[in-house]
Amino acid sequence: GQQVMQIPQYQHVQEGEDFTTYCNSSTTLSNIQWYKQRPGGHPVFLIQLVKSGEVKKQKRLTFQFGEAKKNSSLHITATQTTDVGTYFCASFGNEKLTFGTGTRLTIIP
Amino acid sequence: KAGVTQTPRYLIKTRGQQVTLSCSPISGHRSVSWYQQTPGQGLQFLFEYFSETQRNKGNFPGRFSGRQFSNSRSEMNVSTLELGDSALYLCASSLDGPTYEQYFGPGTRLTVT
Repeated sequence: GQQVMQIPQYQHVQEGEDFTTYCNSSTTLSNIQWYKQRPGGHPVFLIQLVKSGEVKKQKRLTFQFGEAKKNSSLHITATQTTDVGTYFCASFGNEKLTFGTGTRLTIIP
Repeated sequence: KAGVTQTPRYLIKTRGQQVTLSCSPISGHRSVSWYQQTPGQGLQFLFEYFSETQRNKGNFPGRFSGRQFSNSRSEMNVSTLELGDSALYLCASSLDGPTYEQYFGPGTRLTVT
């Protein structure tokens, strides 16, 4: 089945620093979705990328889909305490959505 | 528009018992997916229902089953509970399936003792 590796597993940053999480696959992905789960909460959809090389921005968040559609990244500029949580990528394949292992972001104020 | 609701929110069961969890999707959403979330395994896909039919199933034993009703509400059942079934069970609804954005409910926290 389709597997998506996500790195790093944990990231601790000082407030104001940047943060990036990566999703990598050995196979071509049809699309990639990104979700955020706050501590004690449930995953919340952030964005979906479909096209090769696609870049989308949401305020301080920048999402990229690789040219070969085998990797994706989420970059947060100037992190804030509200960015705390676990970020998951998810890809569609074999008629189902497969989630990456997630990157847990903690912010040091 | 009301979000996805799940009941109950918390549940404690003993080994060998069975449990039924309920999920009410967002109005107009026809697809409901179920996921198991644990610290060790992350988010694992259980199954997806669309228009009362199971469209896809993950790699879980037959003790895990589900169904969807004509109003798109869904239930999942776990029989003969094991300690390892302790997890957060999340349901997600979407307009038409996994290629659409998923709206997750708050989850049911199941503890098996």
